[in-house]
Amino acid sequence: DIQMTQSPSSLSASVGDRVTITCRASQSISNYLHWYQKKPGKAPKLLIYSASSLQSAVPSRFSGSGSGTDFTLTISSLQPEDFATYYCQQTDITPYTFGQGTKLEIK
Amino acid sequence: QVQLVESGGGVVQPGRSLRLSCAASGFIFSSYAMHWVRQAPGKGLEWVAVISYDGGHKYYVDSVKGRFTISRDNSKTTLYLQMNSLRPEDTAVYYCARGGYSIYDASEIWGQGTRVTVSS
Repeated sequence: DIQMTQSPSSLSASVGDRVTITCRASQSISNYLHWYQKKPGKAPKLLIYSASSLQSAVPSRFSGSGSGTDFTLTISSLQPEDFATYYCQQTDITPYTFGQGTKLEIK
Repeated sequence: QVQLVESGGGVVQPGRSLRLSCAASGFIFSSYAMHWVRQAPGKGLEWVAVISYDGGHKYYVDSVKGRFTISRDNSKTTLYLQMNSLRPEDTAVYYCARGGYSIYDASEIWGQGTRVTVSS
């Protein structure tokens, strides 16, 4: 199975900060990498698909980059509603594994 | 509007069975691959299974192979997850999610989830 490793596992930041989360795959997955936001009691929300494409209606402060094994999710200016847990997922090879998550907390 | 609504969760004893349903509306169900994803209490997201738009291809995470079966009825616009030989480690909130035309596409639309608790 492809292992997805996110870093950091948790992060404290302030409103207005620029934040970067990384996701590393144990083997090349081309650009079959997607980013989701998860809040407690809510369904996951797709933010970025195919590594760098912004999902419709997602604010432009979210961006993604990378290919192969190394990927990043960047939030350019944190807003209060952005405090959540973020997951990367690969869909290159089944099982479609998620990273362990990055919990973004208010400093 | 585009919507997925899961049902069928509940409390079940180890070794028993449960069938989850996911009713889709607001889009052409038969054009999209569909996924099941779960989240155990205090844990991260875990992908469980995917089925192609026509039901011809199905894939599972190893921990459920031989116990869970994903299926769909395009005439009823409903996705299913038949779960047999349930184990305590299957306890989770189960989400259905709409993929794309291809099984490789991201999951764009998600249901609100249904809770499954496996306990004696």
